[in-house]
Amino acid sequence: GAGVSQSPSNKVTEKGKDVELRCDPISGHTALYWYRQSLGQGLEFLIYFQGNSAPDKSGLPSDRFSAERTGGSVSTLTIQRTQQEDSAVYLCAGEGVIDNYGYTFGSGTRLTVV
Amino acid sequence: ILNVEQSPQSLHVQEGDSTNFTCSFPSSNFYALHWYRWETAKSPEALFVMTLNGDEKKKGRISATLNTKEGYSYLYIKGSQPEDSATYLCACYGGATNKLIFGTGTLLAVQP
Repeated sequence: GAGVSQSPSNKVTEKGKDVELRCDPISGHTALYWYRQSLGQGLEFLIYFQGNSAPDKSGLPSDRFSAERTGGSVSTLTIQRTQQEDSAVYLCAGEGVIDNYGYTFGSGTRLTVV
Repeated sequence: ILNVEQSPQSLHVQEGDSTNFTCSFPSSNFYALHWYRWETAKSPEALFVMTLNGDEKKKGRISATLNTKEGYSYLYIKGSQPEDSATYLCACYGGATNKLIFGTGTLLAVQP
C-alpha cells in the first residue's frame, strides 16, 4: 500500500471487553512503533519492534496490553479487559531508510471505552 | 528519562503573521530531533529530521534550526496560512532510548 494502514479507524467498546487494533506498515519499514494520545496528553510511547529483536515493551501501561508483529509485517495491539482510561487515539508508525528515518504514521484508531 | 518540552502550548495568529515555537531537550547524548505536523483527523506528517548542531532545514514557508549544545530547536513559519493550523510535534532520540520521545506539541491556529 501507499501508507501505513490502521484498522479499525474508530472503535467503541464496553468496559471489560477485549479489543484488537491492527497496523499494516509499508514494506521496507524495519521498525514499527505503537503510540497513543489520551485527551489533553502528548504522544505516549507504548511498544517498539525492530527486526527479529525482542520488542521494547517498556511503555506498555499494564499487563492488560500486549502486541505482536507477525512475519516482520502486520502488528496487532491487544487490550484485555478495557478500562475507561484506555480511551485514546492509538497510532502506529513505521520507520526505515525509505523515510530517511522519519516515522510514517498511520491515521490511528480512536478507541472509546464506555 | 528523556524529557522533551515544547512551548508555547498553543498559539493563535492572524493569516500572514510569521511565528515560531520552541522544542527543548537534554543536550547530553543527543542523537536526532524530528518535527511533525499533525492536522486534525489525519496522520502526523514528518517535516524534518535533524541531527547536526547548527542544522537548518527548510520546506516551503516552514524552517527549523537545531542547537544540540544548548538543547533546543526552533520551528519557524513565515506568512502563516489557515492551512498551517495543526499541532506541531517535536521528538528526540537520546541517551539509552531507541525510540522517539515526543513533546506535548504546540497547537497553532491561524485565523483568516
